[in-house]
Order: sequence, then structure tokens, then C-alpha cells
Amino acid sequence: DQQVKQNSPSLSVQEGRISILNCDYTNSMFDYFLWYKKYPAEGPTFLISISSIKDKNEDGRFTVFLNKSAKHLSLHIVPSQPGDSAVYFCAASALGGGATNKLIFGTGTLLAVQP
Amino acid sequence: DGGITQSPKYLFRKEGQNVTLSCEQNLNHDAMYWYRQDPGQGLRLIYYSQIVNDFQKGDIAEGYSVSREKKESFPLTVTSAQKNPTAFYLCASSITTGASGTQYFGPGTRLLVL
Repeated sequence: DQQVKQNSPSLSVQEGRISILNCDYTNSMFDYFLWYKKYPAEGPTFLISISSIKDKNEDGRFTVFLNKSAKHLSLHIVPSQPGDSAVYFCAASALGGGATNKLIFGTGTLLAVQP
Repeated sequence: DGGITQSPKYLFRKEGQNVTLSCEQNLNHDAMYWYRQDPGQGLRLIYYSQIVNDFQKGDIAEGYSVSREKKESFPLTVTSAQKNPTAFYLCASSITTGASGTQYFGPGTRLLVL
């Protein structure tokens, strides 16, 4: 049973346009969400996070939107650059009550930004 | 500069052999984690440790063992009981196991079976 789902294995976008990566979750106890970027043969790099008390968090070209009622979050990259080409992982955790910060990861979406 | 280091970058294991993957961090983080990544899959948690001399099994702990004798170090041993060890192994750490404990990852070790 996959609790965090990234249904699009890949996405291709033109340079300068918006990239939208989507993530769905099933566990209503999740209250903290993160996006990581990963290049081949390297460790994931933290990009941006959002707490369930918010519905939007922005950091430069990256914005994460959270729709709790739909159990859906998305990562927007504007404008997209060729260096953004990588695999993007969505992750979630349930932190309430001092629970251990176990992250549950999606399967990733490969973003290709075409020059 | 601070960070997480993993060694070696590539590791080859013979049948029936135990191998140990190293993970060191100088971020003064309390918690450390080991994940495994297989092609087309997300990261799966093997073991995690909240403090020195304490660790817990993750979702796929069978065939693995860990130790946490120092805050900076969290080595992972892949034992001969792990029947499908070929994967990319990632170590991570976080400042706390509580709220907003964003995990930061090392560069990974690729384990291959001869």
C-alpha cells in the first residue's frame, strides 16, 4: 500500500515555462511534506517543505501548494531551467505527538527541461 | 564545511560475504537514517537512530544491521542474509526526530553483487 504517490513517472517542459510536479497521499495523519531533487548516482537534495497548517510555501523559483482536502500537493518551478532536469521526490511524515521523523517517499518524477 | 559523507562510492560483495557501508556526519545532528533505493522506486527506510547507542528497525530491516556508538557515525552492515542487496544506499541525518526535522542526505553508496 503506497501512501505517497507520484503518478507521473516523467515530465518534459520547455526552458522558461512552468513545471508542475504532482504528489498524492492517502494517510490523513501526514502533516509535513517535503520535495527533494536527485541527480543520478547522487543523494537527494532538500528543496522545499510545507507544514499542514499552510497551503503554500515559496522559495525563489520553487513553490509548493498543499490541498489537504484533496490530499494533494504540487511543486511549481517557474521559470524552468535546464539545470532543473532531475528526479523529484515527494515525501511526507506524521510528526504529531513527537513521533519519529520517518519520511515516506513517492517513487519520483523525472523532469526534463528542454533548452 | 559541514556535511554527510558516505564511503565507498561503489562496493562489491561476494556471495555469503558481509559488507559494511560507512556514514559520517559533522552537522551535530541527533538522528541518522539508512535508506535503500531500487530502480523506479522511492527510498525505503532500513534503520534509523535517534540518539547514540539506540536504533530502530525501519520498513525493510531484514538482512541488515547497524550500530551507533558515536553521534557522528552510523555504519550499515549488509549481511549474507540479505538476498537481494544490489541497490543504491543512502544515509541521512536530521537535527531532531520531532517536528520539522528535515533530513539531509549523503552522496550514496552503490552496492553490487559479484
